[in-house]
Amino acid sequence: ETGVTQTPRHLVMGMTNKKSLKCEQHLGHNAMYWYKQSAKKPLELMFVYSLEERVENNSVPSRFSPECPNSSHLFLHLHTLQPEDSALYLCASSQGGSPNTGELFFGEGSRLTVL
Amino acid sequence: AQSVTQLDSQVPVFEEAPVELRCNYSSSVSVYLFWYVQYPNQGLQLLLKYLSGSTLVESINGFEAEFNKSQTSFHLRKPSVHISDTAEYFCAVSGRGSTLGRLYFGRGTQLTVWP
Repeated sequence: ETGVTQTPRHLVMGMTNKKSLKCEQHLGHNAMYWYKQSAKKPLELMFVYSLEERVENNSVPSRFSPECPNSSHLFLHLHTLQPEDSALYLCASSQGGSPNTGELFFGEGSRLTVL
Repeated sequence: AQSVTQLDSQVPVFEEAPVELRCNYSSSVSVYLFWYVQYPNQGLQLLLKYLSGSTLVESINGFEAEFNKSQTSFHLRKPSVHISDTAEYFCAVSGRGSTLGRLYFGRGTQLTVWP
């Protein structure tokens, strides 16, 4: 098993659809993250979960809804998206606690296209 | 808070030429520094990191970066590049003392190696 696995790798959806992105980590980490990567823009941190609790939400629209049922799994539920939401969504994990080096381990991403 | 500036969005070079990708950061606290690489259609992979100790750090594939505290820089260098080094490179910074891996990324530098 690779460290961080994301499914699906590619997703095309209409603006009225509901879909979900899934992330699973096999590294024994206790923190998980969703990042959005759009062309020509820095990576945007969307959500942070530590020990299954959401500890950060960077002003993300409510059409994105994260879920972390346990420390190994992270979901991003998508509903009524806009074309500008088309991007690569990256999941990452880390070992939180002290000391913490800040190193993140990334999945390969889910390429989302909203029509 | 921390921020990262990557001064070059694109760096084209010929194979076997040397290359330098520039990264400057700003932070009010001591930092950890990272370079991540992203190959086409893949997630981010850690290339090298500076946590403490020697200010010169190396990767297994010939890249090196030097932490310069006075210039707040962490430039990435390779004396002789290969076509397989073509990828996007991201510099990132994390503040020491945080119990969570909160990384701030630059906008990325696209390195293209021509034969």
